Amino acid sequence: GQNIDQPTEMTATEGAIVQINCTYQTSGFNGLFWYQQHAGEAPTFLSYNVLDGLEEKGRFSSFLSRSKGYSYLLLKELQMKDSASYLCAVETNTGFQKLVFGTGTRLLVSP
Amino acid sequence: GAVVSQHPSWVICKSGTSVKIECRSLDFQATTMFWYRQFPKQSLMLMATSNEGSKATYEQGVEKDKFLINHASLTLSTLTVTSAHPEDSSFYICSVQKRGGPYEQYFGPGTRLTVT
Repeated sequence: GQNIDQPTEMTATEGAIVQINCTYQTSGFNGLFWYQQHAGEAPTFLSYNVLDGLEEKGRFSSFLSRSKGYSYLLLKELQMKDSASYLCAVETNTGFQKLVFGTGTRLLVSP
Repeated sequence: GAVVSQHPSWVICKSGTSVKIECRSLDFQATTMFWYRQFPKQSLMLMATSNEGSKATYEQGVEKDKFLINHASLTLSTLTVTSAHPEDSSFYICSVQKRGGPYEQYFGPGTRLTVT
């Protein structure tokens, strides 16, 4: 089976740093994506991790530990526009390399 | 970046009717397209994988006779919700995978379906 867990909701203040965790147990693993989704809109790509370690891209960084089945998304210098849902998705290697999405984390950034 | 379009962006239909949703890859040829469904405050659930020139692969629990998928060309896939019921009301999102990689899914803007 496929199991990808994230916290349901998180809150943080503008300018702060927040870490969103994702743990996974899947039947296959090729890599892990993080997407941002604003309400009523399609997800937009944030990051992709294949190897263990930290990938940094501006204010956003993503970390992966394959042995632990664990990833996190780190958001720095939070802005109000960062209020959104953040989706962790595992690229499985079963079938057509489909994505299995986690439950999603709703982040609310307050002034 | 890649552009994926969906049409319509929203639709209201009566129970028992059928609705067709189009997904177009505007920037590149897509060997594979994916159809997702998202209920309010929930994550995306993969419904089916659409492959050009062959039958779609449906996820467990998704009725293939109710959700008809046609991937007629490398740039167009359609999802038809047949005999729609209020419980089919949801946000339907397609994504495309670029032929030849790298593997990254580009998502369409979604279609909001409301069945009355």
